[in-house]
Amino acid sequence: NAGVTQTPKFRILKIGQSMTLQCAQDMNHNYMYWYRQDPGMGLKLIYYSVGAGITDKGEVPNGYNVSRSTTEDFPLRLELAAPSQTSVYFCASRTGVTGELFFGEGSRLTVL
Amino acid sequence: AQSVTQLGSHVSVSEGALVLLRCNYSSSVPPYLFWYVQYPNQGLQLLLKYTSAATLVKGINGFEAEFKKSETSFHLTKPSAHMSDAAEYFCAVSFNQGGKLIFGQGTELSVKP
Repeated sequence: NAGVTQTPKFRILKIGQSMTLQCAQDMNHNYMYWYRQDPGMGLKLIYYSVGAGITDKGEVPNGYNVSRSTTEDFPLRLELAAPSQTSVYFCASRTGVTGELFFGEGSRLTVL
Repeated sequence: AQSVTQLGSHVSVSEGALVLLRCNYSSSVPPYLFWYVQYPNQGLQLLLKYTSAATLVKGINGFEAEFKKSETSFHLTKPSAHMSDAAEYFCAVSFNQGGKLIFGQGTELSVKP
């Protein structure tokens, strides 16, 4: 099993550009999450999904969008990139509310 | 509002000493609580979790945590620290409805020889 796969691992964007971080899991997990990790700030929840077609905002959703058309995929869209979006982004999935989170390897994004 | 707070962004202990990392949550509904560890340049790994069964939970690498409803706490302990325990530790809270899972700010544990 591949687990949770994130692409790309690294990306440099210019201010105002847009991009999509891809996330796919092959564990048939219903729950999927996007977090950003900044030094000293822990992990902040951006968006999450409890199943295909269902998404909800987390703690820091501004500047981001998501979709969940299939159980496997949960892409994160950044529109009009800003320097404040420079961060490491983690996608994660789990079976349910008591389940262990399985994380992708992370995507390091720099906005200049 | 539901939240989780970790007291102390940095904790330093000597090898062999007790490790105590603090976590408090705020919730109007029963929570599910987790501790994760992140070693340098790696992803997060589950240490242990509380899901409304036994209040004292044992995890991997000798760690344990006790759920105290009256104190809204879920502190992580280990009787004797090893050098290999040096890492960042995150407390997280989830709830029965909605699926949201939020993390605390993290506590960096240093272990001195």
